[in-house]
Amino acid sequence: AQKITQTQPGMFVQEKEAVTLDCTYDTSDPSYGLFWYKQPSSGEMIFLIYQGSYDQQNATEGRYSLNFQKARKSANLVISASQLGDSAMYFCAMREITSYDKVIFGPGTSLSVIP
Amino acid sequence: SAVISQKPSRDICQRGTSLTIQCQVDSQVTMMFWYRQQPGQSLTLIATANQGSEATYESGFVIDKFPISRPNLTFSTLTVSNMSPEDSSIYLCSVDLAGGVSGELFFGEGSRLTVL
Repeated sequence: AQKITQTQPGMFVQEKEAVTLDCTYDTSDPSYGLFWYKQPSSGEMIFLIYQGSYDQQNATEGRYSLNFQKARKSANLVISASQLGDSAMYFCAMREITSYDKVIFGPGTSLSVIP
Repeated sequence: SAVISQKPSRDICQRGTSLTIQCQVDSQVTMMFWYRQQPGQSLTLIATANQGSEATYESGFVIDKFPISRPNLTFSTLTVSNMSPEDSSIYLCSVDLAGGVSGELFFGEGSRLTVL
């Protein structure tokens, strides 16, 4: 079974608007970490934000915030005030305590920012 | 953070040949990972390479096809052996500085292989 699901293969957002990229995950581990990465067309992988399973508050990093709903096993990425440079692939990833030597990536969402 | 250099950045290879990708990190790291990203796809873990031990391969990847070396704490190589067009992918080296569930991965710029 797929551990990370990203149901939006492609998304469009108007410049300066906010956008939410969905991520749901499946784990039975009590401790795990959730990550979001950005991959522009150049191919580099850029770490954006991290949320720990025991964190009480949603993570924020600048224009990025993570809407963490533990009971629903969802970790959606919110990008505020979208910029043209935000156009890229976005991957949700997870690391579990019982297999912390592995980081599993979701299928990704392609975001296009429209001027 | 870490600076990770991969060589080659891209190459075009003939079917049946082998290619070795190098990954150099600017600091000592325990865990290094090799990922494959096929065209239009997500990242798939090939193996975890720890210094001083044999690499641990994920299901679907075997040592004969993807031999890995990890001679020290700053360097690793991945060889793609007896290549076929299906091996055309981006191969990414990554490292973990912090460890545990909270340690994010840092990635090299990738090696884009095209097999004809």
